[in-house]
Amino acid sequence: GENVEQHPSTLSVQEGDSAVIKCTYSDSASNYFPWYKQELGKRPQLIIDIRSNVGEKKDQRIAVTLNKTAKHFSLHITETQPEDSAVYFCAASISYGQNFVFGPGTRLSVLP
Amino acid sequence: GAVVSQHPSWVICKSGTSVKIECRSLDFQATTMFWYRQFPKQSLMLMATSNEGSKATYEQGVEKDKFLINHASLTLSTLTVTSAHPEDSSFYICSARDEGRAPYEQYFGPGTRLTVT
Repeated sequence: GENVEQHPSTLSVQEGDSAVIKCTYSDSASNYFPWYKQELGKRPQLIIDIRSNVGEKKDQRIAVTLNKTAKHFSLHITETQPEDSAVYFCAASISYGQNFVFGPGTRLSVLP
Repeated sequence: GAVVSQHPSWVICKSGTSVKIECRSLDFQATTMFWYRQFPKQSLMLMATSNEGSKATYEQGVEKDKFLINHASLTLSTLTVTSAHPEDSSFYICSARDEGRAPYEQYFGPGTRLTVT
């Protein structure tokens, strides 16, 4: 089955700096890659996603890149703010509407 | 739109008792819902896929007789933890797909924190 790895497990950055989180997946059939942000005790919130027919997607300060050949995708957050502090999960879905396999998560701390 | 609710938000029960958790899609119909379990500082682990009108599909290692799932309508799925034990204490989160609006996405409920004493 699909296996998703995520690095780093923890990340601390200064406010205003950029943060990059990387994920790799094992199943080349996966075609949908969402990123979720989860604050303590709350539900995961979708922040950006990308499908396998696209190499890059951007939404204001957040961008995701996908390298299908290497089977990895990355989350980029620019101009980080304290409210970006949370746990971020990447996920991969093997086909339309199927269940997600989540990465282990990255705890991001943005220091003021 | 695309709101998923869960009830209760937290529950404490005694070992050996059963607990039912409800997951509702409030403004859309969901043929498929997913149940996840999340232990502290860990990722979301899929327990089972709930299908309206049919049996749930359980992930390997998840006891279907212990975690009973019923998806009786297009807006409600329930997870019943039977004969709960302290090791079942966890954060249980459901999600649902709005096939008509965004078939790829999953919308998560707020979660239910179960503590078994």
